[in-house]
Amino acid sequence: SAVISQKPSRDICQRGTSLTIQCQVDSQVTMMFWYRQQPGQSLTLIATANQGSEATYESGFVIDKFPISRPNLTFSTLTVSNMSPEDSSIYLCSVMTTDQETQYFGPGTRLLVL
Amino acid sequence: AQSVTQPDIHITVSEGASLELRCNYSYGATPYLFWYVQSPGQGLQLLLKYFSGDTLVQGIKGFEAEFKRSQSSFNLRKPSVHWSDAAEYFCAVSPGGGKLIFGQGTELSVKP
Repeated sequence: SAVISQKPSRDICQRGTSLTIQCQVDSQVTMMFWYRQQPGQSLTLIATANQGSEATYESGFVIDKFPISRPNLTFSTLTVSNMSPEDSSIYLCSVMTTDQETQYFGPGTRLLVL
Repeated sequence: AQSVTQPDIHITVSEGASLELRCNYSYGATPYLFWYVQSPGQGLQLLLKYFSGDTLVQGIKGFEAEFKRSQSSFNLRKPSVHWSDAAEYFCAVSPGGGKLIFGQGTELSVKP
């Protein structure tokens, strides 16, 4: 499995600001994903990060709120824009390697919006 | 639409006792099935997965799961629980193509 790191590991932000979360993998992967885990809840897929093209967003998530980049096969960023307290969550990236259909998760970024 | 149900929100077992966490899914065909564990303050760790073949799959940390097509279930078991097993457990299914659908999770507490 791949080794996945996320930065920052946690942050406290003021409403109205934006935060960019980075996801770095130690090897080339086929697919990268971003999930949100709201307090006490399960994980919900935000989008699939596509290399060199626009991300594919799930219903209920839009690019203006969660812009995503994936410039190469080992790196992706998720920005949480114009934050409100409702955005307080854990944001996790995951990757799918050559072991197709199996996703491995990063440690998550714990975000608190005041 | 595909869905995953974990009927038990919270389970408490005594250390050394056996454990079974339930998972039921709704999907027209046999999906890819997974169990993940999330320890407090941690990300998700893959315990085991089922794609096809033998319906009893072995995972890490002494866990196993059994796929039962007739019951649309994929229950997770461990014969003897350790205190370090206290965590949140998530069942997930994938119809393919990378989309992963999670259940609500079961929080496991272990009594000494």
